[in-house]
Amino acid sequence: AQTVTQSQPEMSVQEAETVTLSCTYDTSENNYYLFWYKQPPSRQMILVIRQEAYKQQNATENRFSVNFQKAAKSFSLKISDSQLGDTAMYFCAFMKRPIQGAQKLVFGQGTRLTINP
Amino acid sequence: NAGVTQTPKFRILKIGQSMTLQCTQDMNHNYMYWYRQDPGMGLKLIYYSVGAGITDKGEVPNGYNVSRSTTEDFPLRLELAAPSQTSVYFCASSSHLWEVGNNSPLHFGNGTRLTVT
Repeated sequence: AQTVTQSQPEMSVQEAETVTLSCTYDTSENNYYLFWYKQPPSRQMILVIRQEAYKQQNATENRFSVNFQKAAKSFSLKISDSQLGDTAMYFCAFMKRPIQGAQKLVFGQGTRLTINP
Repeated sequence: NAGVTQTPKFRILKIGQSMTLQCTQDMNHNYMYWYRQDPGMGLKLIYYSVGAGITDKGEVPNGYNVSRSTTEDFPLRLELAAPSQTSVYFCASSSHLWEVGNNSPLHFGNGTRLTVT
């Protein structure tokens, strides 16, 4: 079974700073996806960024980027120029690429990120 | 499109009571899921369905039942509520076309906060 570990329960930075959230995972699969989700107080689950394991290039989405280290099974999220609206819970998630069938995600425990003015 | 709609948003149950959490989606997705999110923890899969009439257990199915009589609806039933079932419950749906673009594989509802006292 796959496991996802986020070792930072809480983090806090000043507005405009850069922050990195850590995530490690354990799997014997070779074909999979990794995701970062943001959950603001509204409870909505918002996809921040995704990475296909077969792609060596790290994914980027505006101020959000990942450092994907496949051999080390590490998938960290970097938020540049942090904004007050980035305050939220962040979840790392793993999904084995399904050949057929459901897309079942395995989530980490989450990191509560606070951006201070 | 309303997406994935969950009702109710909040509920308080007494120990031993029963209730059904409703979930409906209007995207004609084949796959539907129920997750629970305990305080300070990530989401864990309770049950999932790959189509009408077909359901299967996830990681934490004990104490729950599901049915999928239509493509749109996937209710979650708690028969004898226990304090350990105090959690936020998320319903989600997906289709096999999720890999197109940079989308999330799952479309989430906004959750139901359930308290059992």
